[in-house]
Amino acid sequence: GAVVSQHPSWVICKSGTSVKIECRSLDFQATTMFWYRQFPKQSLMLMATSNEGSKATYEQGVEKDKFLINHASLTLSTLTVTSAHPEDSSFYICSARPPGTSADTQYFGPGTRLTVL
Amino acid sequence: AQTVTQSQPEMSVQEAETVTLSCTYDTSESDYYLFWYKQPPSRQMILVIRQEAYKQQNATENRFSVNFQKAAKSFSLKISDSQLGDAAMYFCALRTSGTYKYIFGTGTRLKVLA
Repeated sequence: GAVVSQHPSWVICKSGTSVKIECRSLDFQATTMFWYRQFPKQSLMLMATSNEGSKATYEQGVEKDKFLINHASLTLSTLTVTSAHPEDSSFYICSARPPGTSADTQYFGPGTRLTVL
Repeated sequence: AQTVTQSQPEMSVQEAETVTLSCTYDTSESDYYLFWYKQPPSRQMILVIRQEAYKQQNATENRFSVNFQKAAKSFSLKISDSQLGDAAMYFCALRTSGTYKYIFGTGTRLKVLA
């Protein structure tokens, strides 16, 4: 089956630094990738939709200058948390959709746990 | 606004028994889809079952079945013959036709007791 990986699986950083999280589709090309945020004991909240070769579409309330998304190739999307603060600590999950498939064909990555000290 | 509500933060079931997880939702759209996703300790989300709103017949996938009550906006998940591997967080989700956006509930943690 289709596999989506994320790197790193967890990261600890100091307040004020930037952190980059990678999302890769390993055995398929993904024209569309999605970034979610999951707080402890809460549901997944869609942050943005990333389309290869174009700007990401951010959900209302998500700061695009803080959460930079780059979908430079059909197999890689990156989320950069800039000037991270403790309130950015969360679990970040990406999903990827192969082209030509239904909107429900989303394969989720294993997530990245970010802890900002 | 669309919402998905899971009122059971945690449920327990004895191995081989049956358990039902509840989910209610709200949407003004007429064309939408409902899902149950499983998130095991590995944190990788896995699609369990999917229901199209226009279909009256309840979806079934092996030991997993749903009770879809459209008028009541209820979408419960029944797990039969529960297995230890079923232990996970279960998320109910809603997606309206024409969008990629999922609205997830807050999840129900299912414990399976040996």
